Amino acid sequence: SQTIHQWPATLVQPVGSPLSLECTVEGTSNPNLYWYRQAAGRGLQLLFYSVGIGQISSEVPQNLSASRPQDRQFILSSKKLLLSDSGFYLCAWSRGDTTNEKLFFGSGTQLSVL
Amino acid sequence: GNSVTQMEGPVTLSEEAFLTINCTYTATGYPSLFWYVQYPGEGLQLLLKATKADDKGSNKGFEATYRKETTSFHLEKGSVQVSDSAVYFCALNINAGNMLTFGGGTRLMVKP
Repeated sequence: SQTIHQWPATLVQPVGSPLSLECTVEGTSNPNLYWYRQAAGRGLQLLFYSVGIGQISSEVPQNLSASRPQDRQFILSSKKLLLSDSGFYLCAWSRGDTTNEKLFFGSGTQLSVL
Repeated sequence: GNSVTQMEGPVTLSEEAFLTINCTYTATGYPSLFWYVQYPGEGLQLLLKATKADDKGSNKGFEATYRKETTSFHLEKGSVQVSDSAVYFCALNINAGNMLTFGGGTRLMVKP
């Protein structure tokens, strides 16, 4: 069966510090991978998606970047965090060979930038 | 652009009450519509979906009908349980690649 792991679950970082959130998927190959963010009082916003190794598309300009060094690994990074980067970050995957397939989400990371 | 609007919560109900969570959307084409649920301490998971007008998605006693004329996809359940307490997200997908546009989420609290 397929599983998705996302860590850490919670993170408190000072403004200006770097960020690295990691997400890995097991039990499938060549998945589509996604990073979403839920800011307080707002809906989930798609940040990045990837259809293959080294292929990253950004949906909104921001202080964050994403990388996919391996087929089932997706990393969200920042060189210098801003207060506005606080929020709940969700990694997700879907099968890469069909459309309108459901997304499977990780358990999320609550990031507080102070 | 595409957008999803949900009723603001929290929605507080007694056990066995009828539930409706409203969801309306705007889209440039013909979207697929989804309801996702996030139980306390867990990640989001798909609850139900509908891919074309007049389709009804259903799962675990929840139902939602794709209404093109009113651009709505309201979530309903005839008799809620305490275990249904969660945050519910309405979402749409208009592109290939499964990229979803989510509503703001509605927290449901069911009291015994």
